[in-house]
Amino acid sequence: SQKIEQNSEALNIQEGKTATLTCNYTNYSPAYLQWYRQDPGRGPVFLLLIRENEKEKRKERLKVTFDTTLKQSLFHITASQPADSATYLCALGIIGALNFGKGTSLLVTP
Amino acid sequence: GAGVSQSPSNKVTEKGKDVELRCDPISGHTALYWYRQSLGQGLEFLIYFQGNSAPDKSGLPSDRFSAERTGGSVSTLTIQRTQQEDSAVYLCASNGGPNTGELFFGEGSRLTVL
Repeated sequence: SQKIEQNSEALNIQEGKTATLTCNYTNYSPAYLQWYRQDPGRGPVFLLLIRENEKEKRKERLKVTFDTTLKQSLFHITASQPADSATYLCALGIIGALNFGKGTSLLVTP
Repeated sequence: GAGVSQSPSNKVTEKGKDVELRCDPISGHTALYWYRQSLGQGLEFLIYFQGNSAPDKSGLPSDRFSAERTGGSVSTLTIQRTQQEDSAVYLCASNGGPNTGELFFGEGSRLTVL
């Protein structure tokens, strides 16, 4: 069956460090992969999309990699700030429904 | 409106009652999605509408769940004979169509079944 796996354990890091979150998938051949941020009690907010033919994409302090051989995406937040504390979700799509992982909670402490 | 609007934001109902949840997508968006998020869980896909095509209902958990989208805009998710396990946040999202990228989410409707 298709699975999208994100580390269920919360990631605690110190302000200023780089946070790295992992998304692994099985039995998918996604055309693209997306990352979203979700704050408590709010709907997810889109951050980045990376297509199957792209290795890396950057946006400000965010960087996403996509390895279709390893079936893995890494999401990096450099120079992390307490305001980056949230749950981060990865999502895979082909055409149509977008399927989400369960998310990883990130806590950035001053 | 500027974003995806969902109502009600909170709904408390008794087991066995029917509920309707409404989603008003971003104007012009042809695709509309419903997801369910239980406490501490990820987003569970329910149903996807794309333009005038037949909806993808593959995520609906039982025949108590149904959804419609009138005039290619507003959508209503209906849960009949609610059960306690239906308690969750129901999220609606829209975007410009297949393979166009990001989904724009509403803030969700929190359903509590007593």
